[in-house]
Amino acid sequence: GAVVSQHPSWVICKSGTSVKIECRSLDFQATTMFWYRQFPKQSLMLMATSNEGSKATYEQGVEKDKFLINHASLTLSTLTVTSAHPEDSSFYICSARIPGFADTQYFGPGTRLTVL
Amino acid sequence: GENVEQHPSTLSVQEGDSAVIKCTYSDSASNYFPWYKQELGKRPQLIIDIRSNVGEKKDQRIAVTLNKTAKHFSLHITETQPEDSAVYFCAASISGGYNKLIFGAGTRLAVHP
Repeated sequence: GAVVSQHPSWVICKSGTSVKIECRSLDFQATTMFWYRQFPKQSLMLMATSNEGSKATYEQGVEKDKFLINHASLTLSTLTVTSAHPEDSSFYICSARIPGFADTQYFGPGTRLTVL
Repeated sequence: GENVEQHPSTLSVQEGDSAVIKCTYSDSASNYFPWYKQELGKRPQLIIDIRSNVGEKKDQRIAVTLNKTAKHFSLHITETQPEDSAVYFCAASISGGYNKLIFGAGTRLAVHP
């Protein structure tokens, strides 16, 4: 099956700092990746769709200047949380689709961000 | 945009019983409906999916049914086991384009021995 990895698996940072999270497709090329945020005991909320070689598409209510997404290659998308605050503490999960296998999304293991 | 509602939010069953989780969607253009299982602190794992040209799909103890007219789809787990305990999410998307998944709120299933 398709494998998606994320790094780091957890991170603790001080308020005001920026944090970068990487999402990699290990055994396939992903032209499209997705970033989700999941608060405790809640569902996955789509933040943005990351497209290789073009600008990300953000969901309504998600600040694109705060959550910077870069999809510079067919196997890597990054999410940078800029000037993080405690309310940004959450579980961030990426997913990727295999081109040509239209619908199925494979999820990364997630990154737990704690902002102090 | 698409909205997916999921019920119940919690479900407690005895080992060996069946469990049913129901979802409704709002966008009639949606045509792909996956179900994910998520254990605490782990990634969501795809357990079964169905496309709109099919009414029912089964994989061992798990089955999914779809009623396009009513915009309902359901997950059925038979002969439940303690290891089935997890949070289950339904989702809906429209094939083609970016295939954004819109998730339901989740159902916390507890299977008691």
